[in-house]
Amino acid sequence: DAEITQSPRHKITETGRQVTLACHQTWNHNNMFWYRQDLGHGLRLIHYSYGVQDTNKGEVSDGYSVSRSNTEDLPLTLESAASSQTSVYFCASSEAVGTSGRPGETQYFGPGTRLLVL
Amino acid sequence: AQSVTQLGSHVSVSEGALVLLRCNYSSSVPPYLFWYVQYPNQGLQLLLKYTTGATLVKGINGFEAEFKKSETSFHLTKPSAHMSDAAEYFCAVSDFGNEKLTFGTGTRLTIIP
Repeated sequence: DAEITQSPRHKITETGRQVTLACHQTWNHNNMFWYRQDLGHGLRLIHYSYGVQDTNKGEVSDGYSVSRSNTEDLPLTLESAASSQTSVYFCASSEAVGTSGRPGETQYFGPGTRLLVL
Repeated sequence: AQSVTQLGSHVSVSEGALVLLRCNYSSSVPPYLFWYVQYPNQGLQLLLKYTTGATLVKGINGFEAEFKKSETSFHLTKPSAHMSDAAEYFCAVSDFGNEKLTFGTGTRLTIIP
């Protein structure tokens, strides 16, 4: 069965360190998204990609970067971790409207990565 | 810009009672609307969605939602709550040409035995 996985599931790091969170999907979806979930804020979009070599900033992109070198993976990098980046991070993917011809495609979510920055 | 408002960050209902979770949206174009559920320590799972066509949408686990354009609402209901419905529920919106989702802040549903 197709799936979307995230690693690590839990991470503790120190302020100033670079951290990379992995996201891998086997749906063969063109669209991939990174969100962070914080109490009282719901899910907020960090970065997204509509295909290989395409990346875009979301609502809360400062301090984060992504790169898309293949269809399956969209790693999220925290350049210099800050305590404000302590959060739960979710990756999601969806089929592109241009592929399916159906607007409003469902996003499929990974299990999340819980990150603590000390 | 799109936005989603979920009224009530916490809702408690008795087992067997009606579940009603409220969602209002703002969008300058016809929206696509979603309800996702999140069980503890898990990712989000789609409950149901509205894209076009019939405004009453049925989803998994007995949930349904009705798109009301005049009220800009997409409330989630279930006639009879079950203990297994305890979770956090998120309403989200996107629109044609914009495949990103904008989420509400979520509603935590507690079921009272």
